[in-house]
Amino acid sequence: GENVEQHPSTLSVQEGDSAVIKCTYSDSASNYFPWYKQELGKGPQLIIDIRSNVGEKKDQRIAVTLNKTAKHFSLHITETQPEDSAVYFCAASGPDSWGKLQFGAGTQVVVTP
Amino acid sequence: NAGVTQTPKFRVLKTGQSMTLLCAQDMNHEYMYWYRQDPGMGLRLIHYSVGEGTTAKGEVPDGYNVSRLKKQNFLLGLESAAPSQTSVYFCASSYGSEAFFGQGTRLTVV
Repeated sequence: GENVEQHPSTLSVQEGDSAVIKCTYSDSASNYFPWYKQELGKGPQLIIDIRSNVGEKKDQRIAVTLNKTAKHFSLHITETQPEDSAVYFCAASGPDSWGKLQFGAGTQVVVTP
Repeated sequence: NAGVTQTPKFRVLKTGQSMTLLCAQDMNHEYMYWYRQDPGMGLRLIHYSVGEGTTAKGEVPDGYNVSRLKKQNFLLGLESAAPSQTSVYFCASSYGSEAFFGQGTRLTVV
C-alpha cells in the first residue's frame, strides 16, 4: 500500500520568513495530494491540494509543488504569520480512492513574532 | 451548515466497556470515514463507507465495527475497549477526493 513520509516533524520560523514542508510517497499510482492544517483541539482542514497532472499550485501565501518522477511534493508558506502556527499534514490517495487518504506523520509549525 | 458533527467530544472508558461514536454530516456526501490520530503517526483509516448500507475495512480495523444505516450517519463501535484504543477519533465525509473532517472525539481507555 501507499506510504507517506513527512519532514521535518517540527519547524520553527520567524514571522515573515518562509516555511517549507516536504513529503515523499511510495505508490506511483497516487494522483491526489492534499495538505491539511490542524489547529489545537480541532479537526484537520484542507488548505490546498494538487493533482498529478499539475506541477505547481498557488493560493495567496501558500503553494504546493509536485515532482512525480521523484515522488515527492512540498508545501511552501511565504510571509509567515503567527496564525500559521499549527500542525500540517500531507496526504496522498490514488485513483478511485475517494477520500481514503494516507497521511504523513505531521509537522508542528511554530511562527515566532 | 454544520458540516461534520461528532458526538461525544470526550469520553473515558474502562477496559472491556463498549461504546459508540456518532458521526453526522449534512452535506449529502456519499462517502464517510473513521480515522484515528495518534502522536507521531498522523491519521490512520479505520473503516469507511461508500454509501448507505455499505462499509469496508481500512488500514487499522481490528477492535472496531461500523454501521451506515442512514446516509447522513456513520457509527463507530468499540465492543470491548482496550488501552491501545486510547486515541483521538476523527470522522470525515467526502463527495470525491476532498474530505471534510469533524472536530474529533478524544477517547481514553483506562
